[in-house]
Amino acid sequence: GESVGLHLPTLSVQEGDNSIINCAYSNSASDYFIWYKQESGKGPQFIIDIRSNMDKRQGQRVTVLLNKTVKHLSLQIAATQPGDSAVYFCAVPGPQGYSSASKIIFGSGTRLSIRP
Amino acid sequence: SQTIHQWPATLVQPVGSPLSLECTVEGTSNPNLYWYRQAAGRGLQLLFYSVGIGQISSEVPQNLSASRPQDRQFILSSKKLLLSDSGFYLCAWSDGTNTYNEQFFGPGTRLTVL
Repeated sequence: GESVGLHLPTLSVQEGDNSIINCAYSNSASDYFIWYKQESGKGPQFIIDIRSNMDKRQGQRVTVLLNKTVKHLSLQIAATQPGDSAVYFCAVPGPQGYSSASKIIFGSGTRLSIRP
Repeated sequence: SQTIHQWPATLVQPVGSPLSLECTVEGTSNPNLYWYRQAAGRGLQLLFYSVGIGQISSEVPQNLSASRPQDRQFILSSKKLLLSDSGFYLCAWSDGTNTYNEQFFGPGTRLTVL
């Protein structure tokens, strides 16, 4: 079955530096990938997504890179700020149930902490 | 704009007591609805999803049940809570009109079973 994992459970970055959070997935047929940010005590928030017909997508201060050859994607955060402290999850759609439910499989998450 | 509400925000319940967590969505119609549980320091586990009123799919065997009495209302229940039911419960919705849809999460309910 589908699984999503992360290379590191925690990441500590100096404020102002760039952060790179990595994720590996197992199903080569996966065609849509999502990054979520979860701050302490809150629900996850959508950051950025990418489809398999792309290898890079940029948002505001964030870039997602997709390498389908090695089934790896990464989230890059430029000029990391204290407000970026959170757990970051990569996610892929799981096997679709009946009708249109967009079931998502989440990785275990990487906790990003910012050093002043 | 769409909003999603969950209540209560926190709950402490004794083992063996019943549970009812409620989730409502505003600003959209016919959403897909989801219940997740998140153990401390872990990822999200999908518990139930629903594509319409009265239509519930269960992802994992468990002590919980879900119901969708109205289009934008999703309820998570238990008749008798177990210690292992403690966790952070998240409700989410997505637009059911196409395949690639992000899910929008509510603020969550932190449940502690003692």
